[in-house]
Amino acid sequence: AQSVTQPDIHITVSEGASLELRCNYSYGATPYLFWYVQSPGQGLQLLLKYFSGDTLVQGIKGFEAEFKRSQSSFNLRKPSVHWSDAAEYFCAVAPFSGGYNKLIFGAGTRLAVHP
Amino acid sequence: DAGVTQSPTHLIKTRGQQVTLRCSPKSGHDTVSWYQQALGQGPQFIFQYYEEEERQRGNFPDRFSGHQFPNYSSELNVNALLLGDSALYLCASSPEGTGGAVTEAFFGQGTRLTVV
Repeated sequence: AQSVTQPDIHITVSEGASLELRCNYSYGATPYLFWYVQSPGQGLQLLLKYFSGDTLVQGIKGFEAEFKRSQSSFNLRKPSVHWSDAAEYFCAVAPFSGGYNKLIFGAGTRLAVHP
Repeated sequence: DAGVTQSPTHLIKTRGQQVTLRCSPKSGHDTVSWYQQALGQGPQFIFQYYEEEERQRGNFPDRFSGHQFPNYSSELNVNALLLGDSALYLCASSPEGTGGAVTEAFFGQGTRLTVV
């Protein structure tokens, strides 16, 4: 079955430190890959997405993610975290079956930022 | 552009009741998808509506039903509410011409449903 795993439930970093959030997926082929951010009580905002081509993708707010086919991973990174980055982050895949019409989400990683 | 708008933002229902949630898609979008996000979990796909028909459905019981209107707005109905239906319900819309692909989907702020 298709699935998305985010191994880290909570991560705490200091402001200005680097960040990496892990994401692994289980799928027979390369799906479309996404990272979303959700602030408390809010909907989901798309940070970045990967369809094909360059495996390092740039997103909004200074985030980037790298697709590694051999590891079925799509980890999110940011070189220097700001206090406003505190939120919940979701990795998601859109399988080819059904025409990329639905998203399968991981359980999320809650990021806390210490001043 | 108002983006994807959902109403109401919050509501409280009693177990066994029925509820209707509403979603207006972003301008230029013709496909609406619904997701359920239980506390502490990632969103789960409920179903997608395109051309006023349910095109794809996730693993949800028949108590969950929907409708899409000619103006592309959508409703999610849940009958015989259970305590476990308490969640944030998110609506996402996709642009015309994409066949409902999530590649360009936008999410609303959600409706927080509490069943007591």
